[in-house]
Amino acid sequence: QVQLVESGGGVVQPGRSLRLSCVASGFTFSNYVIHWVRQAPGKGLEWVAVIYPDGSGKYSADSVKGRFTISRDDSKNTLFLHMNSLRAEDTAMYYCAREYGDYGKDYWGQGTLVTVSS
Amino acid sequence: QSLLAQPPSASGTPGQRVTISCSGSSSNIGSNYVYWYQQLPGTAPKLLIYRNDQRPSGVPDRFSGSKSGTSASLTISGLRSEDEADYYCEAWDDSLKGVFGGGTKVTVL
Repeated sequence: QVQLVESGGGVVQPGRSLRLSCVASGFTFSNYVIHWVRQAPGKGLEWVAVIYPDGSGKYSADSVKGRFTISRDDSKNTLFLHMNSLRAEDTAMYYCAREYGDYGKDYWGQGTLVTVSS
Repeated sequence: QSLLAQPPSASGTPGQRVTISCSGSSSNIGSNYVYWYQQLPGTAPKLLIYRNDQRPSGVPDRFSGSKSGTSASLTISGLRSEDEADYYCEAWDDSLKGVFGGGTKVTVL
């Protein structure tokens, strides 16, 4: 069955870096568009970034542009989010989600919590 | 920073119909599909509606979606206690970014 498992979250000081991972299984990872979506405590969903198959296209939200980089290693069925210059407002649960074309984000991971605090 | 506008809350008694609106612009809802997600407390979002008005397998038919111009709506017909959750609309924006609504908390009275 399709599974997405995020990891790498934790408590980090402002200005530091963190790398999140999302390991996929149960489908041909290399064929799919994958997104990062985050949710601050008690707040709504916020789209963060997307990467297309073969890394052919990468786009990110204005709020993270220049600080966060999305990448993928298809040989390891793994998606990454490299987060630099972290700010308090980046504190959130970070989800990876598979996009099945026009069928939407049909599978989501359980999320990994990032807390930016001194 | 939500670019799609949703009412923060909606409510109804069991069996009632509840409709949630989602308003965007020509660059997102006006030119791309709308999706709806349900998020139960403490869980990841779940796809509820895709391509404006299509239900994935397993989603009860009391959930329906529609779109007109730059607005969309989600209707829950025959509200049930297990429908108490947060609901989010989403669309792709032509500026090459994803956009979500701020979310609507549905309460079953």
